[in-house]
Amino acid sequence: NAGVMQNPRHLVRRRGQEARLRCSPMKGHSHVYWYRQLPEEGLKFMVYLQKENIIDESGMPKERFSAEFPKEGPSILRIQQVVRGDSAAYFCASSPTGQNTEAFFGQGTRLTVV
Amino acid sequence: DQQVKQNSPSLSVQEGRISILNCDYTNSMFDYFLWYKKYPAEGPTFLISISSIKDKNEDGRFTVFLNKSAKHLSLHIVPSQPGDSAVYFCAAPDSNYQLIWGAGTKLIIKP
Repeated sequence: NAGVMQNPRHLVRRRGQEARLRCSPMKGHSHVYWYRQLPEEGLKFMVYLQKENIIDESGMPKERFSAEFPKEGPSILRIQQVVRGDSAAYFCASSPTGQNTEAFFGQGTRLTVV
Repeated sequence: DQQVKQNSPSLSVQEGRISILNCDYTNSMFDYFLWYKKYPAEGPTFLISISSIKDKNEDGRFTVFLNKSAKHLSLHIVPSQPGDSAVYFCAAPDSNYQLIWGAGTKLIIKP
């Protein structure tokens, strides 16, 4: 039973490009959470999704950021027109229930905007 | 507005001694706390948790203490081992799906 898989592990984008981060939850998990970690800071909640539904996106910037978790395939975090401030580690977690205290984390995607 | 605070960015401890990592919180509604361990280039992994109805929870070398009146919790690791070198995060659920995280403490175990 593979863990939460995130790809790519490292992503370099130029300012203005788009970044797509993928997260495949653990088998049997239908709840996905995205977190962002800026340097020297803790993780910050971004969005919580269930299959085909966004449950809470209160931690997501209003512009340029979007997330989806389609019926088939991985969850995608999409950042349009990236800026240097988007450089961070983005972690995905999945859980079998809606309890985030039971969530397992992926290894993260480190996004660097140059 | 930092609801969960870890005021020590780093801590250095001799192998075999006790490591004590501290965490303070401001939201008195928090009723459950978790500690995560994170190695470089990896995601956080769950370590130990405690409910607010308890003041202590122990799992092997790891013990978490909760002082509700002081809004303070601590993680004790004894004896400390080289593999314990990592960043430790304290977190509390704000609702069913939002974990509020501290900034982390980097623990370095010296041989």
